[in-house]
Amino acid sequence: EAGVAQSPRYKIIEKRQSVAFWCNPISGHATLYWYQQILGQGPKLLIQFQNNGVVDDSQLPKDRFSAERLKGVDSTLKIQPAKLEDSAVYLCASSLESYRTGELFFGEGSRLTVL
Amino acid sequence: GENVEQHPSTLSVQEGDSAVIKCTYSDSASNYFPWYKQELGKRPQLIIDIRSNVGEKKDQRIAVTLNKTAKHFSLHITETQPEDSAVYFCAASKRNSGGYQKVTFGIGTKLQVIP
Repeated sequence: EAGVAQSPRYKIIEKRQSVAFWCNPISGHATLYWYQQILGQGPKLLIQFQNNGVVDDSQLPKDRFSAERLKGVDSTLKIQPAKLEDSAVYLCASSLESYRTGELFFGEGSRLTVL
Repeated sequence: GENVEQHPSTLSVQEGDSAVIKCTYSDSASNYFPWYKQELGKRPQLIIDIRSNVGEKKDQRIAVTLNKTAKHFSLHITETQPEDSAVYFCAASKRNSGGYQKVTFGIGTKLQVIP
């Protein structure tokens, strides 16, 4: 089966500019996660969707980050305006359902460099 | 919220030796403990997991142990090979008050297997 797709793989922007990342989860997976992975650290959850509804965005910096999952499939994560500390890999993951604990399937990630 | 501590942060072993990575968690409600392997520039992938009703699980050269009382779990890799070189993340997962899965990752252990 096709895995989680993400784009772009790499993005370099200057601070205060905006950027958007796209994710297409595995077909049929109800839950979609966006994680931020700063170099040398573990993935940190930014936002979690169940179908097209947000179930956890407690660690999302809402003054600059936004995300949506239209029609419960693809998702977009936006940063505006970007700060230097936003430089990280943004990982999208999906799982079959949220109501039980289980494996997350990750995409390749989108590496953001903010200059 | 859940806090997962992982150590060591880096580990070098000779090929053929064993490697052990340890994690502790804080929330006794966590009931699922996956381990992910992330090779350089690639996506994290599940290598083994264990649920709270099991004390040990083994898959070929990889084993995981769980001590619920002490709230710690460990990854054991025997007969290490150069292709085991990667960053390994432990995680703790539980269902939160809304019934959804919440996954918290450790900071990762960079394992280097020296030929």
